[in-house]
Amino acid sequence: KAGVTQTPRYLIKTRGQQVTLSCSPISGHRSVSWYQQTPGQGLQFLFEYFSETQRNKGNFPGRFSGRQFSNSRSEMNVSTLELGDSALYLCASSVLGTAKETQYFGPGTRLLVL
Amino acid sequence: GNSVTQMEGPVTLSEEAFLTINCTYTATGYPSLFWYVQYPGEGLQLLLKATKADDKGSNKGFEATYRKETTSFHLEKGSVQVSDSAVYFCALRADSGAGSYQLTFGKGTKLSVIP
Repeated sequence: KAGVTQTPRYLIKTRGQQVTLSCSPISGHRSVSWYQQTPGQGLQFLFEYFSETQRNKGNFPGRFSGRQFSNSRSEMNVSTLELGDSALYLCASSVLGTAKETQYFGPGTRLLVL
Repeated sequence: GNSVTQMEGPVTLSEEAFLTINCTYTATGYPSLFWYVQYPGEGLQLLLKATKADDKGSNKGFEATYRKETTSFHLEKGSVQVSDSAVYFCALRADSGAGSYQLTFGKGTKLSVIP
């Protein structure tokens, strides 16, 4: 089975621009979560989608948004980029998103904001 | 709220040394516990997990036991190798409300194993 894939792998943007990141979960997985990883804050939860509905959202400003499509693929969007948005963005999937399930991570998208 | 505290590194060990990385947690309800490993330039890989008290997770020589009485999930390996050099994250998955079970991570422990 193919793993979680994320595109693009690397991205350079300038302040004020917007960016869209894509995540394709493992086949059959309906829950997709996004995390931001920075040296200072570590790994922080952004949001979770299940069957095209946002089930939960972390403590991030409204500039961060996402969606999920009927095939479970997910995108996240960051508008009006700030320098502090530079990070590794990780996507993870699981079948139903329950507590005992393992979340499988993709390789991440590294975003650099200049 | 849910939280994970793990010993911060970096930790430097000689090959074949014994490894312990401490991890304690605070959670409502009954969380599942995980150890993930991250190699340079990569995403997170599941190392092992335990979903109920007294369960022992194990993989590739690593072990961790879910201790509810001490709210701990310490990672151990009897003999580390150079290839074990990576960053290790302890994490829990518990109900955060609204039927969502996001992962809550510790800060990570960087392990370097020298020959």
